[in-house]
Amino acid sequence: SAVISQKPSRDICQRGTSLTIQCQVDSQVTMMFWYRQQPGQSLTLIATANQGSEATYESGFVIDKFPISRPNLTFSTLTVSNMSPEDSSIYLCSVEGGTRYEQYFGPGTRLTVT
Amino acid sequence: QKEVEQDPGPLSVPEGAIVSLNCTYSNSAFQYFMWYRQYSRKGPELLMYTYSSGNKEDGRFTAQVDKSSKYISLFIRDSQPSDSATYLCATNAGGTSYGKLTFGQGTILTVHP
Repeated sequence: SAVISQKPSRDICQRGTSLTIQCQVDSQVTMMFWYRQQPGQSLTLIATANQGSEATYESGFVIDKFPISRPNLTFSTLTVSNMSPEDSSIYLCSVEGGTRYEQYFGPGTRLTVT
Repeated sequence: QKEVEQDPGPLSVPEGAIVSLNCTYSNSAFQYFMWYRQYSRKGPELLMYTYSSGNKEDGRFTAQVDKSSKYISLFIRDSQPSDSATYLCATNAGGTSYGKLTFGQGTILTVHP
């Protein structure tokens, strides 16, 4: 299984600012995913990030708000731009586990926007 | 309507009880069904998966899928305090949706000694 780390683990930010979240994997993977877990809500897929191509965003999420980088096979970043209190959430990255049903998740980044 | 519905609980049971966790889904295209377990301040981890309808057993855990009624279940026998976590059902439609998991809201389970 893959070991995934995220930085920062938590942050408190002011509205209007941006935060970049880093995701590091201990092995090379093709597909990485970014999810949002809002309080009392399910995990919602934001986008899929493949190395060497533009990220693919799910309905309701746009690149201007959530730009993603994927510079190599072990690293990705998600930026939450021009934040508002509604962006307060846990953001998780995950990587493919080689099957349709298994993904390995990072510990998450807990973001609070004031 | 959410594609996957799950009662968020919370659910509190005594140690040794049988726990039943359930989800319903609306998209007939879903073919893969998973249960993830999430401990506090951790990322979810895969617990069990099934493909199409049927049962799957792994130790104290049994996963059931009934595609005719679009119903997913997870049973935990002889529950332990270490089972206290949030349980998330998830689905995938197969085909070109590789990697795209649709999650339920999660059920918070507490097993007390």
